[in-house]
Amino acid sequence: EDQVTQSPEALRLQEGESSSLNCSYTVSGLRGLFWYRQDPGKGPEFLFTLYSAGEEKEKERLKATLTKKESFLHITAPKPEDSATYLCAVQEMAGSYQLTFGKGTKLSVIP
Amino acid sequence: DSGVTQTPKHLITATGQRVTLRCSPRSGDLSVYWYQQSLDQGLQFLIQYYNGEERAKGNILERFSAQQFPDLHSELNLSSLELGDSALYFCASSVDNGNYTFGSGTRLTVV
Repeated sequence: EDQVTQSPEALRLQEGESSSLNCSYTVSGLRGLFWYRQDPGKGPEFLFTLYSAGEEKEKERLKATLTKKESFLHITAPKPEDSATYLCAVQEMAGSYQLTFGKGTKLSVIP
Repeated sequence: DSGVTQTPKHLITATGQRVTLRCSPRSGDLSVYWYQQSLDQGLQFLIQYYNGEERAKGNILERFSAQQFPDLHSELNLSSLELGDSALYFCASSVDNGNYTFGSGTRLTVV
């Protein structure tokens, strides 16, 4: 059975203090790994898709990387508006296009 | 506005009742996915429809059912409601590549 584990569960950073979020996964065959951002009371917002080990994607202060067993979301010089819950999800090669989500990392950036 | 419309935004109902949640996908998207998000379980996949046909089922209870209509909107029916069914219910749509666009969700409270 697919499993996605995110750590830490919660992270508090000072504005400008860079850090990384981790997503470990086990899946029989990975079609894609996805990162989403979710603000309180809202639906998840798509950030990145990674398809193969070694791939990297960047968007503003965020960079996502992928290995065969885990993915990292690096946040460089975060701002308070980066505060949100970050969700990782995997899509298995076999079957339909459903996503299996981790429980997320709640990031708080303090001014 | 993500382009995925969910109604109603909030729903309060009593145990044993039945409710219907509605989702209009983003224009051009043929796939609709339903997810349940609770505090302890995170986002859990319920069911997927593609162009009117059921494509995949996840952890969906027998008391729950869904359908997708010819105009591609979808409805999730929840019956014999229990306190534990209280959660956020999200609909997402995609062109079948996993880059979901989520709606803003329906918050269901069962009292």
